[in-house]
Amino acid sequence: DAGVTQSPTHLIKTRGQQVTLRCSPKSGHDTVSWYQQALGQGPQFIFQYYEEEERQRGNFPDRFSGHQFPNYSSELNVNALLLGDSALYLCASSLVQTDSYEQYFGPGTRLTVT
Amino acid sequence: GNSVTQMEGPVTLSEEAFLTINCTYTATGYPSLFWYVQYPGEGLQLLLKATKADDKGSNKGFEATYRKETTSFHLEKGSVQVSDSAVYFCALSSASKIIFGSGTRLSIRP
Repeated sequence: DAGVTQSPTHLIKTRGQQVTLRCSPKSGHDTVSWYQQALGQGPQFIFQYYEEEERQRGNFPDRFSGHQFPNYSSELNVNALLLGDSALYLCASSLVQTDSYEQYFGPGTRLTVT
Repeated sequence: GNSVTQMEGPVTLSEEAFLTINCTYTATGYPSLFWYVQYPGEGLQLLLKATKADDKGSNKGFEATYRKETTSFHLEKGSVQVSDSAVYFCALSSASKIIFGSGTRLSIRP
């Protein structure tokens, strides 16, 4: 049973550029959430996708956008990169029909903006 | 709004010592509570969870009890090992997203 996978593992971009990160959820899961984890901090919720729509959003600017595909995989796009966007980006998958809202996390994509 | 406050680290213990990492939360309603662990260079792994008051979550010798009266979910282990060295995050569910504490780095000396 494949867990949550993310690509790429590492990425280096320049300020002002755009980046796309990808995530495949755990088999059987229908919901994908994205989190940003700055160095030495806990993950912060960016947004969540279900049925190809953004279901809820955290306190992140519109430069952060996403997409969910019919096979439940998802992309996170960040435009006009800032130095402060350097972080570990984590994808988590879950089932919408669950009482505990338990989420399974992928290994993350380490983004460095120079 | 909903939030999690956990014991600041780093915490350094000798092997076989008793571990407690304190966690308190603020939430409306009755969230599920979690402890996640992040080993060096890896993503987050769910360590244990509790979905209602007085539930005890347990895994790999770690335990935590959902205490509604004190809004706490402290993590404990009776005898830690070097392999337990990691960052531990207390978290709660809030409208289907997870809210995390800032993490506690644990280092175990042989």
